[in-house]
Amino acid sequence: QKEVEQNSGPLSVPEGAIASLNCTYSDRGSQSFFWYRQYSGKSPELIMFIYSNGDKEDGRFTAQLNKASQYVSLLIRDSQPSDSATYLCAVHSTNFGNEKLTFGTGTRLTIIP
Amino acid sequence: EPEVTQTPSHQVTQMGQEVILRCVPISNHLYFYWYRQILGQKVEFLVSFYNNEISEKSEIFDDQFSVERPDGSNFTLKIRSTKLEDSAMYFCATMRGRWGSGANVLTFGAGSRLTVL
Repeated sequence: QKEVEQNSGPLSVPEGAIASLNCTYSDRGSQSFFWYRQYSGKSPELIMFIYSNGDKEDGRFTAQLNKASQYVSLLIRDSQPSDSATYLCAVHSTNFGNEKLTFGTGTRLTIIP
Repeated sequence: EPEVTQTPSHQVTQMGQEVILRCVPISNHLYFYWYRQILGQKVEFLVSFYNNEISEKSEIFDDQFSVERPDGSNFTLKIRSTKLEDSAMYFCATMRGRWGSGANVLTFGAGSRLTVL
């Protein structure tokens, strides 16, 4: 079983709509969850992180965590063409190794004007 | 905004040659990482470094790889004898505090693209 799984996409969403990105992880003991955005040829850029069950909002972005289901998601409201990128889910768990962040393969998101 | 600086941005080398990739961490960051990303694939952990020693390394980080922080500023990744499959983007990432603290956000540099011919 992969440690962090994401649907690779591509996911196409009309401009102004809500984009929903999903991620599951294998280790029930995972503690910290991160969403990074990566434009083609660029480095990952942190969007937001979440530690506790529930929702966390930051501007147009909302992260949702459900530890019982081992599921974390990212919602992007009022999607803009500039949101077109690959979104990486990353998880920190002491069972994956004490000192690293483990990434999923990413979901490629395209916002259609 | 403070940033992680990596050099070179792109290096082309012949198979079997040694390569050194350099990173200048954010000044008050104490935890340093190297990740790599082969084109079209996921970001993979290589090694973590704290207090002048390796904290953890992946199975990718074999004897051909080494890291050091020789002068207290640059954090380097050396590949002794490059192979074709080492072609990838190498990212340095740094963090101020340890995991579990309020300062555990990993900041990535722009990356160094390594092409092995």
